[in-house]
Amino acid sequence: EIVLSQSPGTLSLSPGERATLSCRASQSLNNNYLAWYQQKPGQAPRLLIYGASRRATGIPDRFSGGGSGTDFTLTISRLEPDDFALFYCQYYGVTRWTFGPGTKVEIK
Amino acid sequence: QVQLQESGPGLVKPSETLSLTCTVSGGSVNSNTYYWSWIRQPPGKGLEWIGYIYYSGSTNYNPSLKSRVSISVDTSKNQFSLKLNSVTAADTAVYHCARVYAGDGPKYHFDYWGQGTLVTVSS
Repeated sequence: EIVLSQSPGTLSLSPGERATLSCRASQSLNNNYLAWYQQKPGQAPRLLIYGASRRATGIPDRFSGGGSGTDFTLTISRLEPDDFALFYCQYYGVTRWTFGPGTKVEIK
Repeated sequence: QVQLQESGPGLVKPSETLSLTCTVSGGSVNSNTYYWSWIRQPPGKGLEWIGYIYYSGSTNYNPSLKSRVSISVDTSKNQFSLKLNSVTAADTAVYHCARVYAGDGPKYHFDYWGQGTLVTVSS
């Protein structure tokens, strides 16, 4: 069973700063099946990145994904006020889906 | 624009069966490109995948819930449904329905989600 961990648990940054979120897997992953989501309080998660690095429809280019093997990153190049939220990575493997525990990006 | 909307009771008694329906608009459940899935989120906690159904009726469930879960599809109503039996307080959560892209290229991500519905298990 693949286990995803995310770090840091909380990231305190100011608008305009760069955010780098990490997702680490317990074993090597297929990039095609790694996705990132943003969730705001009381809302459903929103797909940001799929296939490890492809932006979903309508997602601004300040969001980017990268990585391979067991280490993946989500980068927000310049934080805007609307970006502060909870972020999850997700992987599909062996006929099941797994989510990481999440990283909260909060306003410093 | 694809939209998913969950419906069903917000309160279920312990040991009874939780039943929810997801109505899809702007897209068809009768498609070989997507799976239709349920995901839950206990208050203040992370996301847990419950299971999915394909338009053909084939299903796959989270092993941790498999003995208690059933997902069905009604293509005539463009809906799919979740049943979780023998519920306990640990099943209290916001339940989301979601579409899974399963076509060509990078796949198996949840591209559209319902807003979610809180189901509380309590007597």
